[in-house]
Amino acid sequence: GENVEQHPSTLSVQEGDSAVIKCTYSDSASNYFPWYKQELGKGPQLIIDIRSNVGEKKDQRIAVTLNKTAKHFSLHITETQPEDSAVYFCAALMRGNQFYFGTGTSLTVIP
Amino acid sequence: GAGVSQSPRYKVAKRGQDVALRCDPISGHVSLFWYQQALGQGPEFLTYFQNEAQLDKSGLPSDRFFAERPEGSVSTLKIQRTQQEDSAVYLCASTSSAPSPLHFGNGTRLTVT
Repeated sequence: GENVEQHPSTLSVQEGDSAVIKCTYSDSASNYFPWYKQELGKGPQLIIDIRSNVGEKKDQRIAVTLNKTAKHFSLHITETQPEDSAVYFCAALMRGNQFYFGTGTSLTVIP
Repeated sequence: GAGVSQSPRYKVAKRGQDVALRCDPISGHVSLFWYQQALGQGPEFLTYFQNEAQLDKSGLPSDRFFAERPEGSVSTLKIQRTQQEDSAVYLCASTSSAPSPLHFGNGTRLTVT
């Protein structure tokens, strides 16, 4: 079946360093890939997304890259801050209109 | 400018009880999704509505789960004869049209004792 794999499951970085989270997806027809940040007790919040017609997108300290040939995409957070600590989920839109989510990465930024 | 609203935020049910979880999507969003999120896991798809039509219910784990959206706005997820394995956070999300991001509510945490 369709699936999205996400690595690593946990990540600790020093404040100011960069963090990278990687995902792979199974459906070569997928064309939309959002990233979500989830804080304790809250629902996932969109932080950035990318469509299949571009290879990279940046928004301040956050960037996402997409390699359609290899079917993988990555989230890059630069100059990390303690408030970046949360669980991050990648997702891919597959089979028409259904999103599949990765299993999440718990990011801890150490002050 | 309200986002997706879910109620109740927390629900404790005794095994065998029925529960109803409510979702009020963003006004004008035609698509509504229900997800189940177990502790430490990503959201798992349950069902999807476009307006009042339930287009996909392939993720509902059993016939004890039922969802409706009779007027194409508010949706209710009902779980009959709850079991301990139903304990999870139930997330609702809405979106205007594909492909566009899902907007999630804060979820309902269901605990079955």
